[in-house]
Amino acid sequence: SSELTQDPAVSVALGQTVRIICQGDILRSYYASWYQQKPGQAPVLVIYAENNRPSGIPDRFSGSRSGNTASLTITGAQAEDEADYYCNSRDSSGDHVVFGGGTKLTVL
Amino acid sequence: EVQLVESGGGLVQPGGSLRVSCAASGFTLSNYWIHWVRQAPGKGLVWVSRFHSGGSPTTYADSVKGRFTISSDNAKNTVFLHMDSLRAEDTAVYFCARGAQTATYYLDYWGQGSLVTVSS
Repeated sequence: SSELTQDPAVSVALGQTVRIICQGDILRSYYASWYQQKPGQAPVLVIYAENNRPSGIPDRFSGSRSGNTASLTITGAQAEDEADYYCNSRDSSGDHVVFGGGTKLTVL
Repeated sequence: EVQLVESGGGLVQPGGSLRVSCAASGFTLSNYWIHWVRQAPGKGLVWVSRFHSGGSPTTYADSVKGRFTISSDNAKNTVFLHMDSLRAEDTAVYFCARGAQTATYYLDYWGQGSLVTVSS
């Protein structure tokens, strides 16, 4: 199966660490990438190839993978990190892309 | 600076057609895959299609296959999403995004999105 599953919502206290997970069998073979989307804005790539950050993404964002689970970790969450986070990957054929359902992160 | 700018969305009746454009700048279109991703109001991201103007096969999500097609004008560095037989469930913001060269499903740049509303 190429489906990706995410928790609908997660919360974190300001300055604390939060992990957002993405599960799917395809992640045993291929990396996930992660996107941050704030209301009314386009998504922004924050992590790719397991744990690589595009230019301009703060180093408090990191990624990892274990088995069928990819994780996005925010170490020292800031108020501006409150957003929806989506994982994606490819399907087994490589012809399609699949997204997780998204996780709404609330910073308390 | 890499930029993607969508245009052409709007209101269309069920069964109608619409074309959304994605104008690229700051890179050569023929060197990259361009993806279309949509987001229904209040919902998550859904992949729609990917296109390479260099001739690799275009692929589509099952939900739009046979109704949506993609073309390009390389001279204008623009990709077009042609949508036919539109349904209410196609109502969404349509984003174009560039696939990174390391792996095409890493979408490294996104347009601002274009709203398509299918309603009578």
